[in-house]
Amino acid sequence: DTEVTQTPKHLVMGMTNKKSLKCEQHMGHRAMYWYKQKAKKPPELMFVYSYEKLSINESVPSRFSPECPNSSLLNLHLHALQPEDSALYLCASSPQRVSNTGELFFGEGSRLTVL
Amino acid sequence: QQQVKQSPQSLIVQKGGISIINCAYENTAFDYFPWYQQFPGKGPALLIAIRPDVSEKKEGRFTISFNKSAKQFSLHIMDSQPGDSATYFCAATNAYSGAGSYQLTFGKGTKLSVIP
Repeated sequence: DTEVTQTPKHLVMGMTNKKSLKCEQHMGHRAMYWYKQKAKKPPELMFVYSYEKLSINESVPSRFSPECPNSSLLNLHLHALQPEDSALYLCASSPQRVSNTGELFFGEGSRLTVL
Repeated sequence: QQQVKQSPQSLIVQKGGISIINCAYENTAFDYFPWYQQFPGKGPALLIAIRPDVSEKKEGRFTISFNKSAKQFSLHIMDSQPGDSATYFCAATNAYSGAGSYQLTFGKGTKLSVIP
């Protein structure tokens, strides 16, 4: 079982809806990540939080809004999404910089469908 | 220069055979090279990783071979099993580029199918 827990596993939303994806880890990791993965593609980095501060925003549209309430939780708020935003959204964590070990701990993802 | 090129895109291997996946990179600042395994409906998971100061690392049936001068590395799966059927991503990261040290550059992935 993964130690990074994501909810919900599946989400269907309309283009005018507001929804949130949630991620939780209790490994004491201080870096948390949101990735987007389209079918048959590698994960694509969206955001990185380091010590609860936004460290990297990979030019993600403002309709995606990340939040890190504390060191264990990471949210991704969704508003006015487009059908092309349909994808698997993966949360990940690492003890500190991923370059130290190359290891990210991924959750199982939230499968998002935008109608 | 940030790309990691991975081949083949898909691979079919008989049970008991050797699976080989290759990756190449351009950025000489990369200094850590992990491989991730992803099963359908799951997130990727670290399989094995190598630093460029060694030429080979073996963990069970999985071996990474690293050629620093050619800027290439490969994953070998010995005695491939149907349970190894998954998508494999090579990746690279750089410890010394500030914010970049939080980033993994992934290859495009190889879908491996091991047939009985």
